[in-house]
Amino acid sequence: EVQLVESGGGLVKPGGSLRLSCAASGFTFSSYSMNWVRQAPGKGLEWVSSISSSSSYIYYADSVKGRFTISRDNAKNSLYLQMNSLRAEDTAVYYCAREGVDSYGYSRHAFDIWGQGTMVTVSS
Amino acid sequence: SSELTQDPAVSVALGQTVRITCQGDSLRSYYASWYQQKPGQAPVLVIYGKNNRPSGIPDRFSGSSSGNTASLTITGAQAEDEADYYCNSRDSSGNPDWVFGGGTKLTVL
Repeated sequence: EVQLVESGGGLVKPGGSLRLSCAASGFTFSSYSMNWVRQAPGKGLEWVSSISSSSSYIYYADSVKGRFTISRDNAKNSLYLQMNSLRAEDTAVYYCAREGVDSYGYSRHAFDIWGQGTMVTVSS
Repeated sequence: SSELTQDPAVSVALGQTVRITCQGDSLRSYYASWYQQKPGQAPVLVIYGKNNRPSGIPDRFSGSSSGNTASLTITGAQAEDEADYYCNSRDSSGNPDWVFGGGTKLTVL
């Protein structure tokens, strides 16, 4: 079964740090670009960061640039998000999501597999 | 960066057809993808590309696009279709980012 499982969320004080993990199974993780998407309580979805299959290309939303770092370990089928200098507005459920590809390896420009999410609360 | 605009709420009578729209400049360059999200659950991809459904998505879901507007149509809405729907596309403003619409709450009456 194709699956993504996030972990590492929790309660952290403003200015603190947290590292999220996403464990992938059921597919060839090293062949896919991966993303983090977050959702603040009662709000919509917000793309946070993406990383290409070989980590050659990494991008961030302006709201987290300079504070968050995305990385991956293809040998461990895992995706990570290191979050530093956390703010109250970073409070959200964080999802990892796979960017789908077609049979030729071209992007489908869509997130076809999502994890169940992990909650991050930034509060004093 | 680009923005995608959705109506906050739409309602449909059981068994009728409903269209949910998404507007944005990036849709002139990229197809929208559509996600269904029920309370307490992760989003699920329902439409991607020109009009493609992932395995397991009922054929009552379809997508279309014209100019800067993408649409998700549910033909014969069912009670289980009540959910939030989000559109999404690549950012076309020169940034290699992604952008989501604000979401549409669909109520099935």
